[in-house]
Amino acid sequence: DGGITQSPKYLFRKEGQNVTLSCEQNLNHDAMYWYRQDPGQGLRLIYYSQIVNDFQKGDIAEGYSVSREKKESFPLTVTSAQKNPTAFYLCASRRDRSNTGELFFGEGSRLTVL
Amino acid sequence: SQKIEQNSEALNIQEGKTATLTCNYTNYSPAYLQWYRQDPGRGPVFLLLIRENEKEKRKERLKVTFDTTLKQSLFHITASQPADSATYLCALDLYNTDKLIFGTGTRLQVFP
Repeated sequence: DGGITQSPKYLFRKEGQNVTLSCEQNLNHDAMYWYRQDPGQGLRLIYYSQIVNDFQKGDIAEGYSVSREKKESFPLTVTSAQKNPTAFYLCASRRDRSNTGELFFGEGSRLTVL
Repeated sequence: SQKIEQNSEALNIQEGKTATLTCNYTNYSPAYLQWYRQDPGRGPVFLLLIRENEKEKRKERLKVTFDTTLKQSLFHITASQPADSATYLCALDLYNTDKLIFGTGTRLQVFP
């Protein structure tokens, strides 16, 4: 079945460590997104990518990094510079660069900093 | 400043009634507005999209309206069921970008 796969579903990290969240899609979508969700704050855009080898900062990019070396993959690294990384992280994709079409979301990765 | 606002308080309604959720925005010019459903611990699932030149869109028991003058969208679920209980998110799809900006969501609880 086509879809978006995020891993791991749950992740624990010690302060000062970088962690990488995986996002893979087999929908052949051009655009991919990373959102962060905190209670009561909805989804906030971290980074997005419209094509391979290109990506743009969203509204809360500080302390995060991404890469887009392959169309189907868009990993997110939460660095030690992110001051409050405990959150629910959601990856999404959509078909193309036009301003139409829905986002398809993965099931999320919950990161907890100990 | 730019804002998207949804009712932060939960909406509790009785089964069979119509649920109406509100999405208001300021200082955005969306080309499209989308609605998603999110269950606890899951990713959001797309429900409906409405374009700026459309006043209303329907899909089964769902209806969305979009008033660009009032900068508001209303999302209706008719004949609501307990299975409709979830958080509903609106999202603005902006002109000339690939960014979708989400509201905070409204939790709907339908009780028997």
